[in-house]
Amino acid sequence: DGGITQSPKYLFRKEGQNVTLSCEQNLNHDAMYWYRQDPGQGLRLIYYSQIVNDFQKGDIAEGYSVSREKKESFPLTVTSAQKNPTAFYLCATGWANEQFFGPGTRLTVL
Amino acid sequence: AQKVTQAQTEISVVEKEDVTLDCVYETRDTTYYLFWYKQPPSGELVFLIRRNSFDEQNEISGRYSWNFQKSTSSFNFTITASQVVDSAVYFCALSDTYSSASKIIFGSGTRLSIRP
Repeated sequence: DGGITQSPKYLFRKEGQNVTLSCEQNLNHDAMYWYRQDPGQGLRLIYYSQIVNDFQKGDIAEGYSVSREKKESFPLTVTSAQKNPTAFYLCATGWANEQFFGPGTRLTVL
Repeated sequence: AQKVTQAQTEISVVEKEDVTLDCVYETRDTTYYLFWYKQPPSGELVFLIRRNSFDEQNEISGRYSWNFQKSTSSFNFTITASQVVDSAVYFCALSDTYSSASKIIFGSGTRLSIRP
């Protein structure tokens, strides 16, 4: 089954803890992206990666980190430095003229 | 700067009414793409349409239609004979280059509620 998977669907974290969100794709796309969505707002770009072992900061990268060791995987770590991490996180792959989105992970900080 | 504005935060109509969602964009580029995505309550983004900046023809797909006007920098979306299943948040978006990792810039979304 082709597509993008994100896990877990729901994630709860205590303040001060780092947490890693998974994103895996089997679409053979070079580029992958992480977006954050807050209630009543559009998506904002956190990080993106064009190729393996390379990634670039998006508009709101502070408090987040990523890695791109494999073409299929682009995990996002929400660190304790992120002031307000409760949000809906969406991973995407694709290119300039089309992006495909995963089902998302809803992160709640308790 | 590139920007997408969806001025309608929420719209509520009765089933079978027609409804238009507005989208206005700003870009300095001559080559760009415009998109509409649907986000149902499940959260996943569903791709609806892509239009490049050189193609101003209107598009119709079943009950959905899109009106792209470069003169007014608008890309409006109309649902004809709305149905309850159309209830969702709709996002208009803009991609500003052809690069392999170009950003897609999203509007803030319009929450559409269709009442039975």
